[in-house]
Amino acid sequence: NAGVTQTPKFQVLKTGQSMTLQCAQDMNHEYMSWYRQDPGMGLRLIHYSVGAGITDQGEVPNGYNVSRSTTEDFPLRLLSAAPSQTSVYFCASSPGTGWFQPQHFGDGTRLSIL
Amino acid sequence: AQKVTQAQTEISVVEKEDVTLDCVYETRDTTYYLFWYKQPPSGELVFLIRRNSFDEQNEISGRYSWNFQKSTSSFNFTITASQVVDSAVYFCALSEAAEGAQKLVFGQGTRLTINP
Repeated sequence: NAGVTQTPKFQVLKTGQSMTLQCAQDMNHEYMSWYRQDPGMGLRLIHYSVGAGITDQGEVPNGYNVSRSTTEDFPLRLLSAAPSQTSVYFCASSPGTGWFQPQHFGDGTRLSIL
Repeated sequence: AQKVTQAQTEISVVEKEDVTLDCVYETRDTTYYLFWYKQPPSGELVFLIRRNSFDEQNEISGRYSWNFQKSTSSFNFTITASQVVDSAVYFCALSEAAEGAQKLVFGQGTRLTINP
């Protein structure tokens, strides 16, 4: 019963490096999202997808790219890492049966940019 | 624009005390859902409850209860007879019909510490 799986769990990068945070769900959910969690700011939406091939920006999209080639996977790419992107990243999914369905979250990826 | 405010940054109580976590929201939409999530020290986010804008009935689940008042735009969460296992960060969140569930707006979170 995997749910939403995020890899890696921890990562340290140097400024300017690029990397991809992986997210996969096995619940056949149509909606998937990426959030970042920073102290005192709750979670903020980076990008989201309402289905394969469809993505859109959230509140804080700058410096991040996403794609959704399959229903299961929704990777988040950091193009050129900056210290301001040090955060905990959460991937979430929810059924496409209704906008009111609660989201299921992965366990998070803790990312540090030096 | 939508906004969720959790004014209590940290709360610390002794075990068995009752504690209420406040949540105030702003929205122009008439159709919306409110959620509470729990983040224990292990870091994952656990869904606790959702409430839609047309249902102002209070909800009770064991030691947990929620009070939704549209007149004050509040959705407060009370833990009765708190236990050490309740120690966590609690988030209130808002989803508007116009925006969809994939666009949750979270409050800043309240860190609750239950001391034995």
